[in-house]
Amino acid sequence: AQKVTQAQTEISVVEKEDVTLDCVYETRDTTYYLFWYKQPPSGELVFLIRRNSFDEQNEISGRYSWNFQKSTSSFNFTITASQVVDSAVYFCALLMTTDSWGKLQFGAGTQVVVTP
Amino acid sequence: DGGITQSPKYLFRKEGQNVTLSCEQNLNHDAMYWYRQDPGQGLRLIYYSQIVNDFQKGDIAEGYSVSREKKESFPLTVTSAQKNPTAFYLCASSIASSGPSYNEQFFGPGTRLTVL
Repeated sequence: AQKVTQAQTEISVVEKEDVTLDCVYETRDTTYYLFWYKQPPSGELVFLIRRNSFDEQNEISGRYSWNFQKSTSSFNFTITASQVVDSAVYFCALLMTTDSWGKLQFGAGTQVVVTP
Repeated sequence: DGGITQSPKYLFRKEGQNVTLSCEQNLNHDAMYWYRQDPGQGLRLIYYSQIVNDFQKGDIAEGYSVSREKKESFPLTVTSAQKNPTAFYLCASSIASSGPSYNEQFFGPGTRLTVL
């Protein structure tokens, strides 16, 4: 079985603080993909990043950074110097290549609340 | 502008009625998906389609039906057989030629369905 666990239900920070969202996944596949999506209050999911299982290089995009640790099956997401606009629910998702089709397995999401 | 549109944004249904949620995309994507989101939970896949006139059941297809007569359209019908249809419904699409889709999925703004 495969699944994605986001243990943090909600994280509240004050603007300019850093926030790290944890994501732990389970899969027996050797090839798989991991995603992060942002869901602002409007409801639409916004794609943030895709990472394949063979690429463990950390990535930085502006204030966002991702730490992929295959040894611990984790794909954590950090927002540096948070802003009020970062308030949203963030989802981690797993896609296995042995699946017959692109079925994303989503975690339950982490609500991030950034206050001024 | 390219994107995914869903209508209506809010939908109210009486028990025992079928309702159809619209999803249209002009991204020229082959694959389309329907997800259901319940409060505090991640997204669960209802149906997906990789090509016109073909679709497969996802993890929670019971009580739902779909059609894919046109590449750009993937309507979802919530039937009276769906016992707990009140939820937020998200449509997505992705590039796919054949086989598994490893590409990121792009999401529409969602439809919030409430059964009265």
